[in-house]
Amino acid sequence: IAGITQAPTSQILAAGRRMTLRCTQDMRHNAMYWYRQDLGLGLRLIHYSNTAGTTGKGEVPDGYSVSRANTDDFPLTLASAVPSQTSVYFCASSPFGGNQPQHFGDGTRLSIL
Amino acid sequence: DQQVKQNSPSLSVQEGRISILNCDYTNSMFDYFLWYKKYPAEGPTFLISISSIKDKNEDGRFTVFLNKSAKHLSLHIVPSQPGDSAVYFCAASVGGNTGKLIFGQGTTLQVKP
Repeated sequence: IAGITQAPTSQILAAGRRMTLRCTQDMRHNAMYWYRQDLGLGLRLIHYSNTAGTTGKGEVPDGYSVSRANTDDFPLTLASAVPSQTSVYFCASSPFGGNQPQHFGDGTRLSIL
Repeated sequence: DQQVKQNSPSLSVQEGRISILNCDYTNSMFDYFLWYKKYPAEGPTFLISISSIKDKNEDGRFTVFLNKSAKHLSLHIVPSQPGDSAVYFCAASVGGNTGKLIFGQGTTLQVKP
């Protein structure tokens, strides 16, 4: 079934550790996005990529980095995790950037202790 | 500063009746609006969208209304069904080709049988 695959589905991590959240899509979408969802705040954009080889910052980019080496993969890295990064992380994609719906994965629940 | 606000954290309606979910925004540059539905442990699913050049868009039981002068949009679900019970997020696009979305905090809808 075509869509977005996120891994892991959940993770408990010690503060200070490095962690990479994986996101893969098989829809050949050009644009991909990372959001975090926190209670009372909705979803907030962390980073985005309009096409392979390019990335941009969203609302809350600090403490996170991304790369887009190819069309299908868009990993999110926490270089040194802190408790405030405890959240549910969603990856999304759309055919192109601009005004169109984004398709979401099922998320990664990350707890930083 | 919350640019997109859903002021009602929750809403409960009887099956068969109308559900009305509301969303307010502050940025007059938003030109595209979307509603997403989210079930627990799943990613958000696109429901319906509207461009700022329109004031209404309908898709089956779902209708979105946009009042630009009031910076307000609403989602009407008629008739409501128990399967509609979920968290609903409104989102707004800042335009351009980045696809950046700003989400509201979400409203939890419960449809009682």
